[in-house]
Amino acid sequence: DAGVIQSPRHEVTEMGQEVTLRCKPISGHNSLFWYRQTMMRGLELLIYFNNNVPIDDSGMPEDRFSAKMPNASFSTLKIQPSEPRDSAVYFCASSPNGGTRNTIYFGEGSWLTVV
Amino acid sequence: QKEVEQDPGPLSVPEGAIVSLNCTYSNSAFQYFMWYRQYSRKGPELLMYTYSSGNKEDGRFTAQVDKSSKYISLFIRDSQPSDSATYLCATYSGGGADGLTFGKGTHLIIQP
Repeated sequence: DAGVIQSPRHEVTEMGQEVTLRCKPISGHNSLFWYRQTMMRGLELLIYFNNNVPIDDSGMPEDRFSAKMPNASFSTLKIQPSEPRDSAVYFCASSPNGGTRNTIYFGEGSWLTVV
Repeated sequence: QKEVEQDPGPLSVPEGAIVSLNCTYSNSAFQYFMWYRQYSRKGPELLMYTYSSGNKEDGRFTAQVDKSSKYISLFIRDSQPSDSATYLCATYSGGGADGLTFGKGTHLIIQP
C-alpha cells in the first residue's frame, strides 16, 4: 500500500495568496483527518471526515480555512488568503474505521511557509 | 491547562540506557492511550496502543497507564541511536466523533 499521499510536500507562498493542500487517503479507509503541527501548539486536529462527510470542523482556526472531500480518495485543505501565522506542517491522516483511533495512518506532511 | 502535557525535552541519553517518557492528562474521560514516534520531517507513526490502565509490552517498548493519577509512560529498554525521534503521547475518550488529543512531543536523542 502506498500510504497516505500528500502534496505538495513543500510550499513557500506570499501572504495573501491562496494555498491548496491535497491528500489521497489509503484505499478503503473511510475516515480522514487534517492536522496542523507547530512548535508552539503541537499537533492540532483541524477537521475530521467520515465517509466523505465533515463530522467535526471545530478545529478550523477561522473562515480562511476550508476543507473538502469530494470523494473517498481525495481531500483538499484550502487557505485563502494565507497569512504568515499559517506557516506550519499540515498532516493528512486516514483510518479504516470511524469508531477507533488506534489505526490512524499519517502522511508525510505538507510543509507550508507563508512569507 | 492543556489536556495532555508532555515535557518537550530534548532528552539525551547514552546508547543502551533505559528511557522513560511521560505524559499527564486532565480529562478523566480519556480511555485510549497511544504513543506515536515521529522521525525528523516525517509523519507520526503509531508505536504503542493501550486501553484503560495497565501495562503493555512490545519488544523493547513498554507502555504504562495509571488512570488514578492520569499519568502515561513509555519505557524503552536497550535504547538504540535509531530510537532518536520525537515521541508523542495521544489519547481520546472513545466517543467516535473526536480526533486524538496529542501532547506536544518529547525530542529524544540516543547518543552512540
